[in-house]
Amino acid sequence: DSGVTQTPKHLITATGQRVTLRCSPRSGDLSVYWYQQSLDQGLQFLIQYYNGEERAKGNILERFSAQQFPDLHSELNLSSLELGDSALYFCASSSSDRSDYGYTFGSGTRLTVV
Amino acid sequence: ELKVEQNPLFLSMQEGKNYTIYCNYSTTSDRLYWYRQDPGKSLESLFVLLSNGAVKQEGRLMASLDTKARLSTLHITAAVHDLSATYFCAVARTTSGTYKYIFGTGTRLKVLA
Repeated sequence: DSGVTQTPKHLITATGQRVTLRCSPRSGDLSVYWYQQSLDQGLQFLIQYYNGEERAKGNILERFSAQQFPDLHSELNLSSLELGDSALYFCASSSSDRSDYGYTFGSGTRLTVV
Repeated sequence: ELKVEQNPLFLSMQEGKNYTIYCNYSTTSDRLYWYRQDPGKSLESLFVLLSNGAVKQEGRLMASLDTKARLSTLHITAAVHDLSATYFCAVARTTSGTYKYIFGTGTRLKVLA
């Protein structure tokens, strides 16, 4: 157990639907990062939050949004889902917004859009 | 735009052999990371390289960083089956006050018994 908790582990949903992925960072970590991993795109950085504020944005679609709550857990909302959104979504955390020790990754949420 | 390329993308090697995975990146960076991912699993941090000339070793893996060449290597010594996994490098860069962390394409390593 890495200390980063992601739920659910698996999610199957239909096109056009909306889902929410949840991440609880490792205790003491203030930064949360979201990544999408698919076979054709590799590991893509989506967005980072640090202590409740958006800190950096990557290749995140407008249909996707995220937030970090006062208790530091984060949610990634995916809406108007398309087949191409099927992927493994990872959350990672670190103690600061510049990690000297690398990130700690959660076990991921596998999203399948049918 | 920061680009990170790894080669080879796939590597099949015999147990006991040595090999090197290369990670090239396109712009200056102040730190580089190596991760391991087993199939269907999460990413595990292996090394963090923070300065030019940094070398770190753990078991049969050794990572090094040459910031002038914008190149990091992950050297595998006397490979064993347990090292079979996908290895990613990731490069960090500060841009306009924000910190971005870009992963390479990954190298899928298969060690044959």
